[in-house]
Amino acid sequence: DAGVIQSPRHEVTEMGQEVTLRCKPISGHDYLFWYRQTMMRGLELLIYFNNNVPIDDSGMPEDRFSAKMPNASFSTLKIQPSEPRDSAVYFCASSLGQTGYTFGSGTRLTVV
Amino acid sequence: GQQLNQSPQSMFIQEGEDVSMNCTSSSIFNTWLWYKQDPGEGPVLLIALYKAGELTSNGRLTAQFGITRKDSFLNISASIPSDVGIYFCAGPYYGQGGKLIFGQGTELSVKP
Repeated sequence: DAGVIQSPRHEVTEMGQEVTLRCKPISGHDYLFWYRQTMMRGLELLIYFNNNVPIDDSGMPEDRFSAKMPNASFSTLKIQPSEPRDSAVYFCASSLGQTGYTFGSGTRLTVV
Repeated sequence: GQQLNQSPQSMFIQEGEDVSMNCTSSSIFNTWLWYKQDPGEGPVLLIALYKAGELTSNGRLTAQFGITRKDSFLNISASIPSDVGIYFCAGPYYGQGGKLIFGQGTELSVKP
């Protein structure tokens, strides 16, 4: 298995633009998680899905953030409009049941 | 709410030395996980602990699940340069399925 695949690896965008991050979980995994990592706040859970259904989005910073999982093999995290304070590394992770996650390599987002 | 506190925040050691780090919480955890994050990559699961008092090894790494269920320890013996990275402890939020909470991380630097 290729693991959790995220794209793009790096994204630089201007403030106000829409940003879409993509994730392909490991085949057969039933949980998918989106995390954000910053120096100040560490790893923060934004939202997670179970069997493609959003279960907890309490970590989503504000309405500018949205996430979808249209099928078991694909999820997106969208920021619209983006702001400089959204600059961070965004990780997607998947798991089978409540076992340990497998993380993707992350998307480093820079909003200028 | 549930929190995980890791110490130390950072360590600078000489190659060949042993390393010890720990993770504590005011809440009980039924599972403890230890992850390592290499620069530019996502965290990778090193060791999972499922039972109070459990001691588990993975090569030069040994982790223990504290008897009180409120702490866990990770030891690395005979450190090598590739041990460099950030080590995270993690545990499941109580009653919230596969959702994990992460500690702030211990950053390890190894001098050859």
